[in-house]
Order: sequence, then C-alpha cells, then structure tokens
Amino acid sequence: DIQMTQSPSSLSASVGDRVNISCRASQRISTYLNWYQQKPGKAPKALIYTASNLQSGVPSRFSGSGSGTDFTLTISSLQPEDFATYYCQQSYSTSPYTFGQGTKLEIK
Amino acid sequence: QVQLQESGPGLVKPSQTLSLTCPVSGGSISSGAYYWTWIRQPAGKGLEWIGRIFTGGTTNYNPSLKSRVTISLDTSKNQFSLQLSSVTAADTAVYYCARERMIRGVGYMDVWGKGTTVTVSS
Repeated sequence: DIQMTQSPSSLSASVGDRVNISCRASQRISTYLNWYQQKPGKAPKALIYTASNLQSGVPSRFSGSGSGTDFTLTISSLQPEDFATYYCQQSYSTSPYTFGQGTKLEIK
Repeated sequence: QVQLQESGPGLVKPSQTLSLTCPVSGGSISSGAYYWTWIRQPAGKGLEWIGRIFTGGTTNYNPSLKSRVTISLDTSKNQFSLQLSSVTAADTAVYYCARERMIRGVGYMDVWGKGTTVTVSS
C-alpha cells in the first residue's frame, strides 16, 4: 500500500489566516493526489484534484501544489466555513487507493 | 446533477453479510467514463477505500477486504451495490457510495452520497 501521511494532524487558526496542510506519500505518485474537506456528520467534498486543479464551485482561496511525494493544500484566507477536517488521497495505485489520516482545522 | 444515496440495513449480525445499494439519480449509471465506488469511515476515524466498479463492469477491490467484498452494477435499476461477507464489529462504520470521475486517466471522487451508518452487533 502507498502510505499517505498528513501534517499536522490538527491545527488551530484564526479567520483570515493563511494555512498550509502537508501530505507526504511513501512513494512517488506524480500528481495523482486529491484533497477533500469533511465537516462533522457530512460526506467528504472534493476540493482539489490531480494536485492543483480546483474542483468546480470551490472558492479560489483553496489551492494545491506539489508532485512526486510532497504536496500542500493552502487556504489563503480562512473563512468561518473552512473549519473542518481535510484529507489527501492518492489515486496512483488502486491496490488500494489510500487516504491520509486527516488534518482537523479548528478555530483559535 | 447526479445524486447518490446509500440504503440498506443499519444493523447486521456478526458473521452475516452486509448489503447496501446506491441508487443514482439525475444521470445514467451507464453513461460516461466513471467508476462507482464504496468508501467507509469508522466513527472518529479516517476514510478507507473499499473498491469500485467501472461502467463496463470491471472491478477493483482493497486487497485487505478482497476476499469478502463484491461490488455490482444494476443498469436496469440505475444503481450499484456492495456486499461484505462474514462481518465483524470491525466493519462497523459509516458507508459512503461515490462517483469517481476520470480526467486524463486520473480519478477522484466528485460526487458522494450522504452516508449510512452500519453497526455490526448481535
């Protein structure tokens, strides 16, 4: 399995802050990396696909970068509705697809 | 706009088979290059990919579950299904169905159902 490791596991930030969440793959996965947002009691929602492409309808304050083994999700200016848990997911190998453990973004 | 909604029993006894369906509304399950996927999430934990089925019927399963999982497609009912046999308490989770969209050979889950909680208990 390709292991996906996110850092940090939790993060406290304020409205208006710029936030970076990292995701590292245990082997090179090119740009086969997606990001999802999940709010409590809700299904995940796609934010970024293939490392840097913004899903339709997602605000432009979200961006993604990286390739190979190291990836970053950036929120340029935190809004109240952004406090949630974020997951990265590799789609390089279906044996199996794997997710990071999640990063919980909380209000400071 | 395509919508998914999981359905099935919320309680399954140990050693029995968990069966869930995911009707697809707002579009045909047979159109487009999509995979139809199952993912689960134990309470308070992360996401685990279970497997997927292509429009044409090809399947991929998580090796850790492969011996117990079957994902199937019913085009006449516009739905897909999950069966997980010989369940234990470790299979207790919220189960999500999702559509995997393929772009230049790379997939991501762009549409998700709301999720359904399945508890394995006697």
